[in-house]
Amino acid sequence: ETGVTQSPTHLIKTRGQQVTLRCSSQSGHNTVSWYQQALGQGPQFIFQYYREEENGRGNFPPRFSGLQFPNYSSELNVNALELDDSALYLCASSRELGAQYFGPGTRLLVL
Amino acid sequence: GENVEQHPSTLSVQEGDSAVIKCTYSDSASNYFPWYKQELGKGPQLIIDIRSNVGEKKDQRIAVTLNKTAKHFSLHITETQPEDSAVYFCAASTGGGADGLTFGKGTHLIIQP
Repeated sequence: ETGVTQSPTHLIKTRGQQVTLRCSSQSGHNTVSWYQQALGQGPQFIFQYYREEENGRGNFPPRFSGLQFPNYSSELNVNALELDDSALYLCASSRELGAQYFGPGTRLLVL
Repeated sequence: GENVEQHPSTLSVQEGDSAVIKCTYSDSASNYFPWYKQELGKGPQLIIDIRSNVGEKKDQRIAVTLNKTAKHFSLHITETQPEDSAVYFCAASTGGGADGLTFGKGTHLIIQP
């Protein structure tokens, strides 16, 4: 059984640019949640997709948006990047709305 | 919204001793409490979880206890080993997952040889 995978592993962007991060859910999972983890902090919930629809959202501005595809993979898009967006972005998948299993993350640096 | 407090921020124990990490939560509607272990450069790994209809759960050297009245839950690791060294996070959610998981700030567990 393949676990959660994320791409890319690292990337560097400049302030004002846009970025797309990708996540493939674990086999059999139909729910994907995205989290932002700043250095030395716990992950913060961005939003969740369940059966291709947004199912909940944390305290993040609209420039953070997402998609879920029919194969349950997902994208996180961030527009107008700010320096504070530098963080580890984690994707977690679950079966229905159950226990969440995390991928290795994408480390984003905004200069 | 939910707020999760986690203590201590750093815990150093001798190999073979027990380690206890404690968390409190604020939202009485929370009914699902997972614990994650995160090693350097990796994503969080689910190690154990508990739902509010259960007071205690055990898996080999790891156990979690839940006190709904006091709104706190704890992770207990017995017979600690060097590979237990990592950052541990507690989290809470209303179980449906619609509001995602709210995490504590983490505990850096150091196992001294």
